[in-house]
Amino acid sequence: GEDVEQSLFLSVREGDSSVINCTYTDSSSTYLYWYKQEPGAGLQLLTYIFSNMDMKQDQRLTVLLNKKDKHLSLRIADTQTGDSAIYFCAELAGGFKTIFGAGTRLFVKA
Amino acid sequence: GAGVSQSPSNKVTEKGKDVELRCDPISGHTALYWYRQSLGQGLEFLIYFQGNSAPDKSGLPSDRFSAERTGGSVSTLTIQRTQQEDSAVYLCASSPRQGLDTEAFFGQGTRLTVV
Repeated sequence: GEDVEQSLFLSVREGDSSVINCTYTDSSSTYLYWYKQEPGAGLQLLTYIFSNMDMKQDQRLTVLLNKKDKHLSLRIADTQTGDSAIYFCAELAGGFKTIFGAGTRLFVKA
Repeated sequence: GAGVSQSPSNKVTEKGKDVELRCDPISGHTALYWYRQSLGQGLEFLIYFQGNSAPDKSGLPSDRFSAERTGGSVSTLTIQRTQQEDSAVYLCASSPRQGLDTEAFFGQGTRLTVV
């Protein structure tokens, strides 16, 4: 079946790197996404990776995709207190349906 | 409007009453999703509409929940005989289904409180 799993909480110290992990089940997924929800705001697309890529880097963000293990990760370098938010992993599964994980709440301690 | 619009933004209802939540997706978006977000449960998928296809209702938690989408645009999520555990933020998202353009755009949500 379709499922995207991620841990619910992550706590890091300011300046450290954060790594948020996600596993998905649909091997035919073409796109994998990371969405961010800041406090009191809606979800917004943060970054995405196409399934034929292993890595994508965008400033402080690095997305790693292990298609064999169906594992996706988001690394945030030099994490700041402003990065505190909920991060959602999502996959574009068969039938163009986007499946979201439950979200990982990132706490950044000053 | 430019984005996904949901109404009301907040709703307080008494246990046992029915409620209707409305979503106006971005014009031209063929896909529409309803999710429920609660602190302990994260984001839960409820229902997915894609064009004229039969909706994917696999996430609806009970038969008290139903949703419809009229004319391929506006959607209404109805919760009958509300219970306290229905309290959550209900999020709607829409997405175009055109080639590689698949980003989902979310509304601000309706915060439902059942007292």
